[in-house]
Amino acid sequence: SQTIHQWPATLVQPVGSPLSLECTVEGTSNPNLYWYRQAAGRGLQLLFYSVGIGQISSEVPQNLSASRPQDRQFILSSKKLLLSDSGFYLCAWSVKRGGYSTDTQYFGPGTRLTVL
Amino acid sequence: QKEVEQDPGPLSVPEGAIVSLNCTYSNSAFQYFMWYRQYSRKGPELLMYTYSSGNKEDGRFTAQVDKSSKYISLFIRDSQPSDSATYLCAMTRMNSGNTPLVFGKGTRLSVIA
Repeated sequence: SQTIHQWPATLVQPVGSPLSLECTVEGTSNPNLYWYRQAAGRGLQLLFYSVGIGQISSEVPQNLSASRPQDRQFILSSKKLLLSDSGFYLCAWSVKRGGYSTDTQYFGPGTRLTVL
Repeated sequence: QKEVEQDPGPLSVPEGAIVSLNCTYSNSAFQYFMWYRQYSRKGPELLMYTYSSGNKEDGRFTAQVDKSSKYISLFIRDSQPSDSATYLCAMTRMNSGNTPLVFGKGTRLSVIA
């Protein structure tokens, strides 16, 4: 069965510090991968998605970047955190079949980031 | 008009009640519909998935889709305190390549024992 891991679970960082959040998926190959941010009252905001190694699409211009160095690894980074980067960060994956991306996404446990 | 509208609640019901959660959408190209349940401080988990108009049942949960009205619902029968969570609707159109989901903002449900 497939599992998705995220770490760390919680993180408190000062403004201006760098960030690296990691997501890995097990039990599947060539998944689509997604990074979301969830803030109170604002729902899920799609930040980045990737259809393959080295292929990153950005949905929202921001202080963050993403990379996919391996098939089942997705990393969210920042060089200098802002207060507004605080939130709950979720990684998700979906299966690709026959050139179509299936619609169902499966989420990881999330990372709660607080920037002080 | 937002693509997906969902009443944020909170919705508070007594144990055993029937709960109705709803979303409306504006894009008639949406073909796939999902409901996710999210417990506090956890990632969303998929509850129901459907791509046809009508009803789909899974235990105490029923997903209903009315494409003509652009309206979807999730019904929970015999609600339990363990159903207390935020429920997110999600939908997407059929397309080649990657098709990100569009989510509602979620409805917070509390089931009181």
